[in-house]
Amino acid sequence: AQSVTQPDIHITVSEGASLELRCNYSYGATPYLFWYVQSPGQGLQLLLKYFSGDTLVQGIKGFEAEFKRSQSSFNLRKPSVHWSDAAEYFCAVAQISGNTGKLIFGQGTTLQVKP
Amino acid sequence: GAGVSQTPSNKVTEKGKYVELRCDPISGHTALYWYRQSLGQGPEFLIYFQGTGAADDSGLPNDRFFAVRPEGSVSTLKIQRTERGDSAVYLCASSLDRGNSPLHFGNGTRLTVT
Repeated sequence: AQSVTQPDIHITVSEGASLELRCNYSYGATPYLFWYVQSPGQGLQLLLKYFSGDTLVQGIKGFEAEFKRSQSSFNLRKPSVHWSDAAEYFCAVAQISGNTGKLIFGQGTTLQVKP
Repeated sequence: GAGVSQTPSNKVTEKGKYVELRCDPISGHTALYWYRQSLGQGPEFLIYFQGTGAADDSGLPNDRFFAVRPEGSVSTLKIQRTERGDSAVYLCASSLDRGNSPLHFGNGTRLTVT
């Protein structure tokens, strides 16, 4: 069965430091992968997605993610974190190829940014 | 235009009562999804509508849960005989079609069953 694992429940980084949030997936075919961000009281916002092609994908707010098939990973990165990046981050995989709305989400990683 | 709107934003009900949660998708979006997010967890898929019909309801936990979308726009998630375990944030999302269009999520309805 498909699954998504985010090993880090909570991460704290200093403002200006680099960030990497881990995501591992289990999926039989080529996965459709996503990263979403959720601020308190807000809906989920799509940061970036990977369907095919270049394994390094760029997203909004300066985020990027790299798809590594050999490691079943899709880690999210940002070179320099801003205080406004504090939020909860979810990695997700589409359950059905071609229907990118039916998603399996990881448990999420809460990012805290220290001044 | 406006995003996905969900009402109410908060709902407190007693165990055993019936509740309705409303989702107003982005105009023109034919695909509509309901998710449930329990505390400390990621969202879990409940049901997917394409137009007026429920194309996939495999995520509904039991027959106390039901959803409709009679005119292909607004959707209502209905929960009968609520239980404390139903307490969660219920998220609605819409997209242009079934393909690779991105999901747009509402802010959710926080349901508390006492």
